[in-house]
Amino acid sequence: EVQLVESGGGLVQPGRSLRLSCAASGFTFDDYAMHWVRQAPGKGLEWVSGISWNSGSIGYADSVKGRFTISRDNAKNSLYLQMNSLRPEDTALYYCAKGSLPAAYFNWFDPWGQGTLVTVSS
Amino acid sequence: QSVLTQPPSVSGAPGQRVTISCTGSSSNIGAGYDVQWYQQLPGTAPKLFIYGNSNRPSGVPDRFSGSKSGTSASLAITGLQAEDEADYYCQSYDSSLSGSVFGGGTKLTVL
Repeated sequence: EVQLVESGGGLVQPGRSLRLSCAASGFTFDDYAMHWVRQAPGKGLEWVSGISWNSGSIGYADSVKGRFTISRDNAKNSLYLQMNSLRPEDTALYYCAKGSLPAAYFNWFDPWGQGTLVTVSS
Repeated sequence: QSVLTQPPSVSGAPGQRVTISCTGSSSNIGAGYDVQWYQQLPGTAPKLFIYGNSNRPSGVPDRFSGSKSGTSASLAITGLQAEDEADYYCQSYDSSLSGSVFGGGTKLTVL
């Protein structure tokens, strides 16, 4: 069974940093792209970032470009999201999701983890 | 606002048929990129319900069907059941943004 377990969320002050992790199991991790998708409280889904199987192709939403960095460690079956210069509007539940392809683009997302909550507030 | 446009809400009585639309543009759905649909039950993570415009993952009832035409896509649900009450999101790829995009979501209420 495919499992994705996020961790690293919490309460952080504006301007500070946070690093999210996603531990994957139940599939060949380095065969697939991986993604982060977030959902602000009571709002819809927003794709944040995606990374190809070999980290050779990476994409970001305009809202996080230059502040967030996605990475993966295939040896550890893990996905990461380094979030710098956090803003109150980054407050959301952050989901890790398995892509449908090795490439970072044109994916669908299946399955999703349960999410980790990031709250940016002073 | 979202790149893909969905109605905020739809409703129907048990047994009825409802459709949820997803309208995009020439840089996403109209460019030929596939559309996916996700179901999100309250308090849970989204679940893939339709991929590649009209394909159902195993376990998704055949009451759910997807279609795409031009710059729009639709999710149809027949024989509406109480358990279908959820939020539904469409998703595609946008070449102008070089990334995935979602619709704003549609809340389905079963009357």
